Amino acid sequence: AIQMTQSPSSLSASVGDTVTITCRASQGISNHLGWYQQKLGKAPKLLIYAASSLADGVPSRFSGSRSGTDFTLTIRRLQPEDFATYYCLQDYTYPRSFGQGTKLEIK
Amino acid sequence: EVQLVESGGALALPGGSLRLSCEASGFNFDSYEMNWVRQAPGKGLEWISYMTGAGGAIQYADSVKGRFTISRDNAKNSLYLQMSSLRVEDTAVYYCAREVDFCTSIGCTKVFDYWGLGTLVTVSS
Repeated sequence: AIQMTQSPSSLSASVGDTVTITCRASQGISNHLGWYQQKLGKAPKLLIYAASSLADGVPSRFSGSRSGTDFTLTIRRLQPEDFATYYCLQDYTYPRSFGQGTKLEIK
Repeated sequence: EVQLVESGGALALPGGSLRLSCEASGFNFDSYEMNWVRQAPGKGLEWISYMTGAGGAIQYADSVKGRFTISRDNAKNSLYLQMSSLRVEDTAVYYCAREVDFCTSIGCTKVFDYWGLGTLVTVSS
């Protein structure tokens, strides 16, 4: 099974900051990676698909990139509504696997 | 409007059984692959099962293989998860999620574009 190693597990930042979250796949998954945002008590929401494509309605301050088996979610100019938990998910093969999550908190 | 509504969550004994349901509306249910994802209290997301629209292909996580069974009734626009031999570690909120292909110039990937609100399963003696 493919392991997705996500870091950091938590992150403190201020409104207006830029933050980066990384997921590393244990083997090649091409660009088969999505990023999801989950707010407390809510279902996850798709942000990025195919490693770098922005889902409909997602602000352009969110972006994704890939370098080999390393995937990055960048959030620029943090807004109050961005403080949440973020997960990566590989859709390359079964079993599907999520990263462990990154909790983004207000500093 | 696409909606997914889970039900069936409850308190169950270790070794017991439960059946979860996910009722879909607002789209042609039989055209879509569906998944179950769970989240233990205070923990991350865990994918647990998948089924194609016609039910011809099924996948499970190792953690539930042999104990959980996914099924669907397209006439009732419903997805199910039959859970047996429950363990304390199965305690979680269970979400159903619709899967679709999102395509770019490079190719297509699969995403979970709609999720239900979840149903809580607690396994405890």
